[in-house]
Amino acid sequence: GAVVSQHPSWVICKSGTSVKIECRSLDFQATTMFWYRQFPKQSLMLMATSNEGSKATYEQGVEKDKFLINHASLTLSTLTVTSAHPEDSSFYICSADDRASSYNSPLHFGNGTRLTVT
Amino acid sequence: DAKTTQPPSMDCAEGRAANLPCNHSTISGNEYVYWYRQIHSQGPQYIIHGLKNNETNEMASLIITEDRKSSTLILPHATLRDTAVYYCIVRGINTGTASKLTFGTGTRLQVTL
Repeated sequence: GAVVSQHPSWVICKSGTSVKIECRSLDFQATTMFWYRQFPKQSLMLMATSNEGSKATYEQGVEKDKFLINHASLTLSTLTVTSAHPEDSSFYICSADDRASSYNSPLHFGNGTRLTVT
Repeated sequence: DAKTTQPPSMDCAEGRAANLPCNHSTISGNEYVYWYRQIHSQGPQYIIHGLKNNETNEMASLIITEDRKSSTLILPHATLRDTAVYYCIVRGINTGTASKLTFGTGTRLQVTL
């Protein structure tokens, strides 16, 4: 089955630094990748949609200059949390769409990255 | 995408069938019903999806009412490893680009001995 790999699985950083999270589709090409954020005991909230080779589309209330998304290839999207603050501590999850599959095929999710900002 | 309503929590004895309901009364004709689950601190796992016919795979069965306003996910023989939050999601489909999944609050299923 389709596998989405996220790296790192957890990261601790100091306030003010930037952190990059990678999302890779291992055995398929992903035209579109989605980035979600999940706070403790809450549901997943969509942050942005990234399409290969174009600018990401951000959901309302998500700062595009703070959460930089790059989708430079069909198998890799990155999310960079810039100038991280403790309130950015969260579980970040990506998902990917297999461009070769049917239009109603499910999205495949990575296992998430737990970010802790101290 | 149409909103869904699920009970916040349910319990099920191990070995018994777990029936998780979902209401999606405002679903439209081009929207599918997807079910995912999330085990603690992991990414969501796809379970099953359907449009109007009942569906079955190795994990579960999906029963969609004739008017498509509600559905039930059935785990035929629940095990402790099925303890998770289950999300019922209605997803509009277009043939051009991939469409997003909008997660609600889900149902926390606790499987007990």
